[in-house]
Amino acid sequence: GESVGLHLPTLSVQEGDNSIINCAYSNSASDYFIWYKQESGKGPQFIIDIRSNMDKRQGQRVTVLLNKTVKHLSLQIAATQPGDSAVYFCAENWDTGRRALTFGSGTRLQVQP
Amino acid sequence: DAGVIQSPRHEVTEMGQEVTLRCKPISGHNSLFWYRQTMMRGLELLIYFNNNVPIDDSGMPEDRFSAKMPNASFSTLKIQPSEPRDSAVYFCASSLRGESNSPLHFGNGTRLTVT
Repeated sequence: GESVGLHLPTLSVQEGDNSIINCAYSNSASDYFIWYKQESGKGPQFIIDIRSNMDKRQGQRVTVLLNKTVKHLSLQIAATQPGDSAVYFCAENWDTGRRALTFGSGTRLQVQP
Repeated sequence: DAGVIQSPRHEVTEMGQEVTLRCKPISGHNSLFWYRQTMMRGLELLIYFNNNVPIDDSGMPEDRFSAKMPNASFSTLKIQPSEPRDSAVYFCASSLRGESNSPLHFGNGTRLTVT
């Protein structure tokens, strides 16, 4: 499959541990944020989103935290599994009239069994 | 729901040839996006449509690139003539545009190799 990025920052965790993936977004005017997961040979897959009027949102095994003061977004994955191994992207919408997403450079998560 | 469908999955062509990438968005979605992914530049927005109308094509790299959306269920991205630097994975995504944001749903991409 397509290699998304050979020089991506990599987070290596043990199966069962919690993972935290961080993202610094670029525009203080951004009002909507999404985390995507991309596996080799596939397109980005939606994980969870959060709007700027929230600080935290939880999904199944995932939590997104938003700190607007420092323009920081994080994705927490509980009880990480081998199937979570992928590249994770944060994306922001900084132009509400435009409705298009701007993507970060990605973090590779490697889960060791 | 079949998701966003892109074709072909892989395309290998020689420099100077015309390339056409195809996309079928999710039924009912009214916004369609074309992105390009490379190792060096990551995911870049090329163009997006709302209700079949191109809204923002500022990401289209050159006049060699063109995109059309003749109806709500089909879009094409054409490169003519193609160059080796166009080699990348091209993704199509769709979303339901309303008053609030909604996530983009991506296809599995077309891997283009121009030799």
